[in-house]
Amino acid sequence: NAGVTQTPKFQVLKTGQSMTLQCAQDMNHNSMYWYRQDPGMGLRLIYYSASEGTTDKGEVPNGYNVSRLNKREFSLRLESAAPSQTSVYFCASSSSGTGAQPQHFGDGTRLSIL
Amino acid sequence: QKEVEQNSGPLSVPEGAIASLNCTYSDRGSQSFFWYRQYSGKSPELIMSIYSNGDKEDGRFTAQLNKASQYVSLLIRDSQPSDSATYLCAVRNSGGYQKVTFGTGTKLQVIP
Repeated sequence: NAGVTQTPKFQVLKTGQSMTLQCAQDMNHNSMYWYRQDPGMGLRLIYYSASEGTTDKGEVPNGYNVSRLNKREFSLRLESAAPSQTSVYFCASSSSGTGAQPQHFGDGTRLSIL
Repeated sequence: QKEVEQNSGPLSVPEGAIASLNCTYSDRGSQSFFWYRQYSGKSPELIMSIYSNGDKEDGRFTAQLNKASQYVSLLIRDSQPSDSATYLCAVRNSGGYQKVTFGTGTKLQVIP
């Protein structure tokens, strides 16, 4: 019973490098989300995808891009990493784009930018 | 004003006591409210959802919602050391898509 799976779990990058965080869910959920969590800031929405084929910006989208590859997979890309992007990244999914369903989270990716 | 506000704590309670966690929100049209528990270094885990005014009980947990006063609370009865975690309040806003805004969390410490 995997739920939401994120890879990698840890990553260290140098400033200017690029990388893609992967997320896959096996719950047949329509909506998927990417958050970052920083001390004292709570969870902040980076991008979301209400359904397959659509993506929209959240609260803090600058420096990130996303791809909803199919219903299961939603990836987050950092094109040119900056130290300010050091954070814990969580992917989440929920069953409806307009309903009142709670979100289920992956285990997170701990990313450090040197 | 933050959209969802919580006292960061830490809130310390003795084992066996009732822990009371509070959350206020600014969007009067909010429809759905969630409480998540997050252990240190782990991901948020849903523990309660509440959608209408009043109380909702699930085991040792009770969620309380008062839309007129725009607050939601979580009571944990017979608190255990294993309840020590950060509790996140999340509110689904009244927008057209399922945007959920999270509070910064309240850290709970249950003292044996």
